[in-house]
Amino acid sequence: GQNIDQPTEMTATEGAIVQINCTYQTSGFNGLFWYQQHAGEAPTFLSYNVLDGLEEKGRFSSFLSRSKGYSYLLLKELQMKDSASYLCAAKGSGAGSYQLTFGKGTKLSVIP
Amino acid sequence: EAGVVQSPRYKIIEKKQPVAFWCNPISGHNTLYWYRQNLGQGPELLIRYENEEAVDDSQLPKDRFSAERLKGVDSTLKIQPAELGDSAVYLCASSPRQGSDTQYFGPGTRLTVL
Repeated sequence: GQNIDQPTEMTATEGAIVQINCTYQTSGFNGLFWYQQHAGEAPTFLSYNVLDGLEEKGRFSSFLSRSKGYSYLLLKELQMKDSASYLCAAKGSGAGSYQLTFGKGTKLSVIP
Repeated sequence: EAGVVQSPRYKIIEKKQPVAFWCNPISGHNTLYWYRQNLGQGPELLIRYENEEAVDDSQLPKDRFSAERLKGVDSTLKIQPAELGDSAVYLCASSPRQGSDTQYFGPGTRLTVL
């Protein structure tokens, strides 16, 4: 089975740094995606980690530890437009390699 | 490059009525997905197409839901008859090839069943 856990809501201040955690338990695993979803809009791709370690992409970074079943998304220099839901999704392996299992999403509110 | 296109964006119907959603994937993307996203939840896969073939429809409630992708490009998802519990956002996504890493999502159709 698949189980993805992430916090429901977080609040952070404009200009600050926030870390959104995700833990997963999956029967097959071949990578971890992060998507951003503004209210009423499509999820948009942020990052994909398949190897352990930190991937940096501008203000956003994503980390994966396969041995711990753990990932986080790090957002630096927060801007008001970063207020959105952040979805963690585990990618299956083998015959399920196309399949993404999503968490419920973390709603981030950035305040002035 | 145009993204995934879906229509309509919003639909309100009464229960027991039929409804259909349309999706046009990114040009050249062979794999197409339909997801359902309930309020406060992540998307859940309903069906996956490789070209015109439905290769995974195990999560599709087949008593009332149907889908087609006749020419391997556009796709339609239908619900007949709709129930109150079908109220959700229906998302379409596409990816370039089988097992490709990144899925690109459309804006979704928000369905309200009264």
